[in-house]
Amino acid sequence: DAGVTQTPRHEVAEKGQTIILKCEPVSGHNDLFWYRQTKIQGLELLSYFRSKSLMEDGGAFKDRFKAEMLNSSFSTLKIQPTEPKDSAVYLCASSTGGGAETLYFGSGTRLTVL
Amino acid sequence: QQKVQQSPESLIVPEGGMASLNCTSSDRNVDYFWWYRQHSGKSPKMLMSIFSNGEKEEGRFTVHLNKASLHTSLHIRDSQPSDSALYLCAADTNAYKVIFGKGTHLHVLP
Repeated sequence: DAGVTQTPRHEVAEKGQTIILKCEPVSGHNDLFWYRQTKIQGLELLSYFRSKSLMEDGGAFKDRFKAEMLNSSFSTLKIQPTEPKDSAVYLCASSTGGGAETLYFGSGTRLTVL
Repeated sequence: QQKVQQSPESLIVPEGGMASLNCTSSDRNVDYFWWYRQHSGKSPKMLMSIFSNGEKEEGRFTVHLNKASLHTSLHIRDSQPSDSALYLCAADTNAYKVIFGKGTHLHVLP
């Protein structure tokens, strides 16, 4: 079975640009999570979907970050406009859902904003 | 405010030694805890889960959970250099939203 697939692996953007990160969850998984990982803040939850419904819209992140789940097998994270402080690794994870379930992570997208 | 707090931030143990990592949640809605391990340049992978009070052992790894104090600990005996990694504690909150602590960097010296 394929794991979680994230593209691209690396992204370089100029400040003010719009970028879109993509994620394909494990087939059959119902829950999908977007996290951002930095050395200082660790893993921060950006968005969370259950059966394609948005359950968590990112709190402090929602002004420039928008996650969408277009169908059960594809999600995007749009950052608009990008700022240098957005430089981080963005991780997508999925699980079968329902609580007490293991998260399976993709390889991540390393974003650098100049 | 970080709802999952881990200590220590960094830990150095000799090969063959015991490593002890701690994690506490400040959110009383938490039901479940996991420990994930992340090797350098890789993504996190689940190592162990614990959902009930008590202890669970898998090989060299033991986790403890005290639900009253929302505290879990991970113990690694006979530590190996390959155990060197970032260890992340995760907890679910209400509505099964999973949040992570900042992690403990474990270095096992040969």
